[in-house]
Amino acid sequence: AQKITQTQPGMFVQEKEAVTLDCTYDTSDPSYGLFWYKQPSSGEMIFLIYQGSYDQQNATEGRYSLNFQKARKSANLVISASQLGDSAMYFCAMREGGYGQNFVFGPGTRLSVLP
Amino acid sequence: DVKVTQSSRYLVKRTGEKVFLECVQDMDHENMFWYRQDPGLGLRLIYFSYDVKMKEKGDIPEGYSVSREKKERFSLILESASTNQTSMYLCASSLIQGSNQPQHFGDGTRLSIL
Repeated sequence: AQKITQTQPGMFVQEKEAVTLDCTYDTSDPSYGLFWYKQPSSGEMIFLIYQGSYDQQNATEGRYSLNFQKARKSANLVISASQLGDSAMYFCAMREGGYGQNFVFGPGTRLSVLP
Repeated sequence: DVKVTQSSRYLVKRTGEKVFLECVQDMDHENMFWYRQDPGLGLRLIYFSYDVKMKEKGDIPEGYSVSREKKERFSLILESASTNQTSMYLCASSLIQGSNQPQHFGDGTRLSIL
């Protein structure tokens, strides 16, 4: 069964510093996608970044980058130059190839950015 | 941009009432999902649908039903609301196939059952 682990229930970071949120996954499907979502206190889930299992390069989207280590089955999110508005819950998720409901979410990490 | 719209951000109902949560997406996605989210428990899948009139149970379907009469609309129904159904409800949609396709979420409905 596919599984996502986020070992950090909570993280603190100083404003303007970089922070890494950990995510490890488990799957036997060679084709899969990894996603990160942000959920601020208002509740909406915002899609941040995607990494495909066959991608040779780490994904980047603005201040977000994904440190993808396929052999270790890890897909850590790096946020550079943290801002107060980055304070939120962050969820790692995985989708395997094929049809149907094959999406699984991790338990989340709560990030607090300190002024 | 994909738009997933949930009918209410906040909703207060009484025990025993029949409650309808509506979700509409505008991107012609085949898959639609209903999750509930509770502190410490993460996102738990209630039901999903991969086509009109098709539905599949998720992890916690008890006490809920769903309806998908049109491709763009997926409704969650609490047949007889109970206080333990007080929660945040999130609707999502995605294309039916492709490991590179994310789920897109609505803003969520905070439901309180009194």
